[in-house]
Amino acid sequence: DQQVKQNSPSLSVQEGRISILNCDYTNSMFDYFLWYKKYPAEGPTFLISISSIKDKNEDGRFTVFLNKSAKHLSLHIVPSQPGDSAVYFCAAKDTSGTYKYIFGTGTRLKVLA
Amino acid sequence: DAGITQSPRHKVTETGTPVTLRCHQTENHRYMYWYRQDPGHGLRLIHYSYGVKDTDKGEVSDGYSVSRSKTEDFLLTLESATSSQTSVYFCAISPGTGAGANVLTFGAGSRLTVL
Repeated sequence: DQQVKQNSPSLSVQEGRISILNCDYTNSMFDYFLWYKKYPAEGPTFLISISSIKDKNEDGRFTVFLNKSAKHLSLHIVPSQPGDSAVYFCAAKDTSGTYKYIFGTGTRLKVLA
Repeated sequence: DAGITQSPRHKVTETGTPVTLRCHQTENHRYMYWYRQDPGHGLRLIHYSYGVKDTDKGEVSDGYSVSRSKTEDFLLTLESATSSQTSVYFCAISPGTGAGANVLTFGAGSRLTVL
């Protein structure tokens, strides 16, 4: 049972435009959400996070939105740059007595110059 | 990369042989994790540790065991490797408290091929 879902395996966006990556979750015990970026042959690197008590968090070109009622979060990248081309994973932290982080299957973003 | 190293970085082994991957951290973080990355599956949690000698299972723990005898080292063992365990393995750490308490920092990965 996939608790964290990224339903779009890939996304292509023109340079300078907005990239929107989506993530859905099913477990209401998740209280902290993170986005990671991964380049080939490297480990994932932390991008931005949001606590369940907030609905938006912004860091430079990156904004994460959380809709708890819909169990949905999204990552907005504005403006998109060619260097943003990577695989993006969303992750959720389980607080039901464990310290597990569950990841989605990833979305490959390609920013076209 | 933020004081976390994985070894070996690459390994080729044969079916049925034991394999141990090591994760070493210099950050004194409490929590350590082992994930595997496979196409179409993203990152899946194998085992994690919430302190010395304290470990728990993740989503895909069958065929794997772990040990943490000291804060800085978290070992992942495949007792008898199978071809389905061919994957890239990532170790991650998290402090649990203080600045960045909930952020996972990943190692560079260990690519394992089981023939």
